[in-house]
Amino acid sequence: EVPLVESGGGLVQPGESLRLSCAASGFTFSDYWMTWVRQPPGKGLEWVAIIKQDGSEKFYVDSVKGRFTILRDNARNSLYLQMNSLRAEDTAVYYCARHGYRTSVGDYWGRGTLVTVSS
Amino acid sequence: EIVLTQSPATLSLSPGERATLSCRASQSVSSDLAWYQQKPGQAPRLLIYDASNRATGIPARFSASGSGTDFTLTISGLEPEDFAVYYCQHRNDWPPIFTFGPGTKVDIK
Repeated sequence: EVPLVESGGGLVQPGESLRLSCAASGFTFSDYWMTWVRQPPGKGLEWVAIIKQDGSEKFYVDSVKGRFTILRDNARNSLYLQMNSLRAEDTAVYYCARHGYRTSVGDYWGRGTLVTVSS
Repeated sequence: EIVLTQSPATLSLSPGERATLSCRASQSVSSDLAWYQQKPGQAPRLLIYDASNRATGIPARFSASGSGTDFTLTISGLEPEDFAVYYCQHRNDWPPIFTFGPGTKVDIK
């Protein structure tokens, strides 16, 4: 197993910010690209963002560009997702995943953390 | 933008039967396709990468094929634990952008 543990989810109001964390263990974190994927309640999967091993390259789905920032701290084996200007449509379970194979978004996934954006 | 279509939306089968799931891309994606299984309340689990390669620990009853626009995931002999939702996913070459299909639910007949 490759434990990935997300935290930081919760209930926020539209326009507010939230920072998700993902703690990694069991592998050399700094060797891998890392990703965030989300899943609205009862719906399908949507890739959100990916970050290179050293943090020098980051890519996002169009719907979060300019609002979300993916970050990592290799010294702490941690991945983050800073989410600003949250909207109701950002409500979802957010998963972090290790990008282990080129074609797959993630070969190992955390259990997810729920973000609810509602007034 | 590449769109992935999965069919059928729901597949009702009995344990022991063979399941054949389809994923079609709106334009050629070469072999840049992966398949995932997701059970209720759980994270997705990678089954297949590069269109036909089983991920670590995935049983041999799961196989996949295809290239270009048409892909198939086959489960040869459904076990009780295989009833779940299955997603296909494409990776754009560069920049690395990932797209999921809407999923196929395999439920018990």
